[in-house]
Amino acid sequence: QVQLQESGPGLVKPSETLSLTCAVSGYSISSGYYWGWIRQPPGKGLEWIGNIYHGGSTYYNPSLKSRVTISVDTSKNQFSLKLRSVTAADTAVYYCARPDVRGEVGYWGQGILVTVSS
Amino acid sequence: SYELTQPPSVSVSPGQTASITCSGDKLGDKYVCWYQQKSGQSPVLVIYQDTNRPSGIPERFSGSNSGNTATLTISGTQAIDEADYYCQAWVSTTGVFGTGTKVTVL
Repeated sequence: QVQLQESGPGLVKPSETLSLTCAVSGYSISSGYYWGWIRQPPGKGLEWIGNIYHGGSTYYNPSLKSRVTISVDTSKNQFSLKLRSVTAADTAVYYCARPDVRGEVGYWGQGILVTVSS
Repeated sequence: SYELTQPPSVSVSPGQTASITCSGDKLGDKYVCWYQQKSGQSPVLVIYQDTNRPSGIPERFSGSNSGNTATLTISGTQAIDEADYYCQAWVSTTGVFGTGTKVTVL
């Protein structure tokens, strides 16, 4: 059974960089699939942040592309998100996810709330 | 950028049928999936590739996709189906979500 678990600081100061990691168990990242990040501001809808393919190719939401980096560490079987220059608008629950071949997400992390505040 | 539009809310009586639409340009040319999200929980996939149900999802959930509109139908709606529902399509190697629909079972 594939399991994903987000970790990282729950509080980030404005203008700083939000950094999260997703640990994957039950499947080797290097074996395939996209690995992605999705977020949800409190009381609002879901927003796709971006994906990384197991080989390292990345694809980002155009609205966030200038501030986002997603990377993978196959030795630790985990992937990471960095979002630079955060503001209060980046406060959200951040989910890591594994999209399947046609884009549907069958596996989600439990989510981690990140608050941007001084 | 590509946009998917859903009605903000749908109300349904227990046992009746709820239909949730998702509209986007030439959406019928793409695969659409649907998620159910209950308060405080991660989304759960209920329909993938337009019409398929994952293992464990009740048969009362069904989907269709044609033209510019995809539809999630919940037949014989139960109180436990009260939740937010999101459509999602795969566009140029990344996902796009719909605006979300809150289903209330009255």
